[in-house]
Amino acid sequence: GQQVMQIPQYQHVQEGEDFTTYCNSSTTLSNIQWYKQRPGGHPVFLIQLVKSGEVKKQKRLTFQFGEAKKNSSLHITATQTTDVGTYFCAGRGSNDYKLSFGAGTTVTVRA
Amino acid sequence: DTAVSQTPKYLVTQMGNDKSIKCEQNLGHDTMYWYKQDSKKFLKIMFSYNNKELIINETVPNRFSPKSPDKAHLNLHINSLELGDSAVYFCASSQDFPGSNQPQHFGDGTRLSIL
Repeated sequence: GQQVMQIPQYQHVQEGEDFTTYCNSSTTLSNIQWYKQRPGGHPVFLIQLVKSGEVKKQKRLTFQFGEAKKNSSLHITATQTTDVGTYFCAGRGSNDYKLSFGAGTTVTVRA
Repeated sequence: DTAVSQTPKYLVTQMGNDKSIKCEQNLGHDTMYWYKQDSKKFLKIMFSYNNKELIINETVPNRFSPKSPDKAHLNLHINSLELGDSAVYFCASSQDFPGSNQPQHFGDGTRLSIL
């Protein structure tokens, strides 16, 4: 079945630095979604990418969908303490009903 | 104002008991889901209903039985609880069919602890 791999599992970042989390699929995805889960909270939808090579920005967050629609990345610049949490990518194959979630990247920030 | 609400928020019970978790959404969505999140934060889909019809039924023990009385409600009943059932269970909903590219809205989760 559809599998979405996400790395790294943990990311410890100095406040003000940048980091990137990566998402890879073994098969072509029809779309990819990104969610953020704060500690003790629930996943909250951030963004969706549908087109090959698509790039979207939300303030300091940049989301990218690969040309082959098999990978995606989330890049955060100038990390702040409010960025703490777990970031999940979730992808759906062309013939899939279900959204497959990656294992998540848990981000901690050193002030 | 709550979009997707789950009850209870915390559930502590003994092995072998039967328990239910309720979920309601007031977003007018057609599709609802149950996810299990383990201690490593891995989110695993369990079930999905679209307009009260079971659409996704992943490999979960028969002890887990979902029930959707209407499209705004999706409950989860668990029989003979086991230690491995300890996890956070999230209900979610989305507009339209599960295969459409709609974002999912999650409830606050039910933290189930088995003693």
